[in-house]
Amino acid sequence: IAGITQAPTSQILAAGRRMTLRCTQDMRHNAMYWYRQDLGLGLRLIHYSNTAGTTGKGEVPDGYSVSRANTDDFPLTLASAVPSQTSVYFCASSRGGGAAVYNEQFFGPGTRLTVL
Amino acid sequence: GQNIDQPTEMTATEGAIVQINCTYQTSGFNGLFWYQQHAGEAPTFLSYNVLDGLEEKGRFSSFLSRSKGYSYLLLKELQMKDSASYLCAPADSNYQLIWGAGTKLIIKP
Repeated sequence: IAGITQAPTSQILAAGRRMTLRCTQDMRHNAMYWYRQDLGLGLRLIHYSNTAGTTGKGEVPDGYSVSRANTDDFPLTLASAVPSQTSVYFCASSRGGGAAVYNEQFFGPGTRLTVL
Repeated sequence: GQNIDQPTEMTATEGAIVQINCTYQTSGFNGLFWYQQHAGEAPTFLSYNVLDGLEEKGRFSSFLSRSKGYSYLLLKELQMKDSASYLCAPADSNYQLIWGAGTKLIIKP
């Protein structure tokens, strides 16, 4: 693994189904993030984790949950998918910490999710 | 509230220079990042400013004025591969990046 990976690359899901998007990084970064990106709206933060064992809510957390059991993995779960969750989902990580430059975020390739 | 303002779209000619402006309002400030995003791809880091002034990096430069809440990205010697969206993202007091909707740059031959 080099950097940050996401799986699956794309998925078509029936409404009401449960889905987990996977994210793994091998950079030993403290902080990880989940964003959704919709046309014309830019990146919107769903959930974040500043360090293993802690998580926080972003701008659009409803309908999503996350966990951070270890440093490397940060899965995003849709408990019961709805069509409005159709989007491109990006996972990102950053070194984190007090120095501002450590907030540079590195992005995974994204997961394109369609909920029908 | 927190707000980022960038032009939605800009057009420029191959070989020319283009400046993409960004104004921001954030709760606290811990630096400002510029990212490039090609269609269908993930954002990639371009530049970072924490102090006022110009940071130069090859064909790309970024400027910051903290007192004005203003930054710009300057792209020189434009190439067709520079056609992409450019995202301005200041970091707030919690070190969270606040993302603008981005500026779509179209390069014409």
